[in-house]
Amino acid sequence: KAGVTQTPRYLIKTRGQQVTLSCSPISGHRSVSWYQQTPGQGLQFLFEYFSETQRNKGNFPGRFSGRQFSNSRSEMNVSTLELGDSALYLCASSIRGPNEKLFFGSGTQLSVL
Amino acid sequence: QKEVEQNSGPLSVPEGAIASLNCTYSDRVSQSFFWYRQYSGKSPELIMSIYSNGDKEDGRFTAQLNKASQYVSLLIRDSQPSDSATYLCAVTSQRSSNTGKLIFGQGTTLQVKP
Repeated sequence: KAGVTQTPRYLIKTRGQQVTLSCSPISGHRSVSWYQQTPGQGLQFLFEYFSETQRNKGNFPGRFSGRQFSNSRSEMNVSTLELGDSALYLCASSIRGPNEKLFFGSGTQLSVL
Repeated sequence: QKEVEQNSGPLSVPEGAIASLNCTYSDRVSQSFFWYRQYSGKSPELIMSIYSNGDKEDGRFTAQLNKASQYVSLLIRDSQPSDSATYLCAVTSQRSSNTGKLIFGQGTTLQVKP
C-alpha cells in the first residue's frame, strides 16, 4: 500500500509569490491534516479536512488556505509569501480523523528568499 | 502557556537504561494522547497511543496517563542507540472523537550513548 505522497519535495520561492503544495493520502484515508514544522516552533497545526470539508483550522493568517478533493487528495496554498513561511510542510492522513494514528508524508521543504 | 509542553532536552541516557520522557497539556477536555518519534530528517511516526488513565505497555515502551494532573509520559526500557530521536507528545484538543485538532509539543531529543 502506497504511503502519503507529497509533492514537490523542495521549493524555492521569493517573497510575495504564492505556492501550492499537494498531498495524496493513503488509499481509503479520508482525513488529511497539514502541519508546519520549524526548528523554533516545532509542529504547528494548519488545518484538517475530511470529505472535502475543513473541520478545524489552526492559528495561521488567511494567507494559508487549503482544500480537499473528492478523491481525498488535498492541496494547501500560501499566498504573498513571507520569509517566515520558510518551513517543512507536512501532510498526514488517517481513516477518520486525528484520534487515530496519523501517517505522515515526507514533507515539502519550502524556502522563501 | 503552550497547549502541550515538553522539555526540549537533550535527554542523554546510557545504553540499556530507562529513558523517561514527560509531557503536560493545558486543555482539561483532551481525550487522546500520542507519542510520535521523529528521526533527524524524517517524518514523525506513531509509537504509542493512550486514551485512559493508567499505564499502557507495548514492548519496551510504556505510556502513562494521569488526566487529573494533565500529565502523560513515555518510558523506554533497555534504551538502544537506535532510540536516539526526537519524541513528540501530541494531544487532541476536543472531546469529540474525530473532529479535534491534534496538537504537538516541541519534542524532547533523546540521545542514547553506547
